[in-house]
Amino acid sequence: DAKTTQPTSMDCAEGRAANLPCNHSTISGNEYVYWYRQIHSQGPQYIIHGLKNNETNEMASLIITEDRKSSTLILPHATLRDTAVYYCIVPISGNTPLVFGKGTRLSVIA
Amino acid sequence: GAGVSQSPRYKVAKRGQDVALRCDPISGHVSLFWYQQALGQGPEFLTYFQNEAQLDKSGLPSDRFFAERPEGSVSTLKIQRTQQEDSAVYLCASSPGRATYNEQFFGPGTRLTVL
Repeated sequence: DAKTTQPTSMDCAEGRAANLPCNHSTISGNEYVYWYRQIHSQGPQYIIHGLKNNETNEMASLIITEDRKSSTLILPHATLRDTAVYYCIVPISGNTPLVFGKGTRLSVIA
Repeated sequence: GAGVSQSPRYKVAKRGQDVALRCDPISGHVSLFWYQQALGQGPEFLTYFQNEAQLDKSGLPSDRFFAERPEGSVSTLKIQRTQQEDSAVYLCASSPGRATYNEQFFGPGTRLTVL
C-alpha cells in the first residue's frame, strides 16, 4: 500500500465539522483512497472511498487535493457516536492486503 | 440483513491449548479476510480467501496458525499450542468482490486471551 500519514489524535466539539487529514504523497495514478473507522470494541466499518473527484455519501465527504497527495475526511456534524479511530488506506490495485496503520483517534466532546 | 458474525466473542485459553475461531461471512460474499489486532494497534492482515481458495497467507505469524474455508462460506482460524503473544482480537471480514481493495464488511471480532 502507498504509505499514509495521519495525526495520532484529534478532538472535535459535538455538532461541529470534524476534518481528518491524511497525507499519501507516494500515491499512484490509479490508486484509490479508502477510509474506515473503528468504534471501540467493534470491527472496522467502511466509510467512503475516492480516486480524484470529491465524494459524498450519507456518512461523510472526502476531499482529495488536485495533486492527490493528500485528502481530508469530513464529518459535517459530528456526534458523540462518531468517536472512533479513523483509518486512511491507499491499497494497491490487485490482490495485496489492506494496511490499516494506527489511524487517527477522534474524540467528539459534548 | 445479517452481517458478518464471529464466534466465540471471547475466548480464554491456557498456554499450549489449541483454539478454533469461527467466521460466518455475509451470504454470497466471495472474499474472506482474517486480521489480528493487538491492543492499541490497527488490524494486521493474516490471510485471505477467494471462495475456498486461500490466495494469501503471508500474514500468518507462524506455522501454529492455520485457516480454512472448505466450502467457500464459513471459515475457521485455528491456533495450535497458543502462546501469550497470541492474545489479541481476531477480526474476520468479507467482501462481495474479488479484489482485496473492495469494501470489506467486518465482524465484531473474537477477543483471545492466553494465560
